[in-house]
Amino acid sequence: DAKTTQPPSMDCAEGRAANLPCNHSTISGNEYVYWYRQIHSQGPQYIIHGLKNNETNEMASLIITEDRKSSTLILPHATLRDTAVYYCTYGGSQGNLIFGKGTKLSVKP
Amino acid sequence: GAVVSQHPSWVICKSGTSVKIECRSLDFQATTMFWYRQFPKQSLMLMATSNEGSKATYEQGVEKDKFLINHASLTLSTLTVTSAHPEDSSFYICSPTSGANLGRSPLHFGNGTRLTVT
Repeated sequence: DAKTTQPPSMDCAEGRAANLPCNHSTISGNEYVYWYRQIHSQGPQYIIHGLKNNETNEMASLIITEDRKSSTLILPHATLRDTAVYYCTYGGSQGNLIFGKGTKLSVKP
Repeated sequence: GAVVSQHPSWVICKSGTSVKIECRSLDFQATTMFWYRQFPKQSLMLMATSNEGSKATYEQGVEKDKFLINHASLTLSTLTVTSAHPEDSSFYICSPTSGANLGRSPLHFGNGTRLTVT
């Protein structure tokens, strides 16, 4: 089953970029890596996903290393509302997603 | 993105009673439903997977007779916690999927149900 490693917590100043790393060294060649975030007492919110190429959308950018063993989620201008637990995740055997402990990002004024 | 409605958002019940949680996919047909639970300060753990019209598949350690899943329609699935006990207090989250592009498209999640058993 999937296993990811993320730092348990990070701080970021409001307005600065938040760079959240994830190690997913056991990901296979055709598995996408997904990033979600969870604000307290809510369901996970989808942010972005990618396979090999770097991706960008209105929320964030995703940088995937060439060997695909790690990735970094970038929130370009963090706001207080970005305070949440961020999960990188990839597939379970039934098409589900397997969640690790995530990174608790605290955005400070 | 896909719209998922989960209800209720929170419920308090007495030990020994049963609680039903509903999950609806509002703009797509959910052929598969994943049910997760999350204990305080822990991550989401898959409990069971159900396919419309079939019996659910439960993860190891999850009692199928305690957590009854009904997935009789493509837009509604229910999870019933039977004879609830305080140790069942948790955050339950559904994730319906149409099954199209499974693994290549993001999954979407309900907003969760906070169950407190007293």
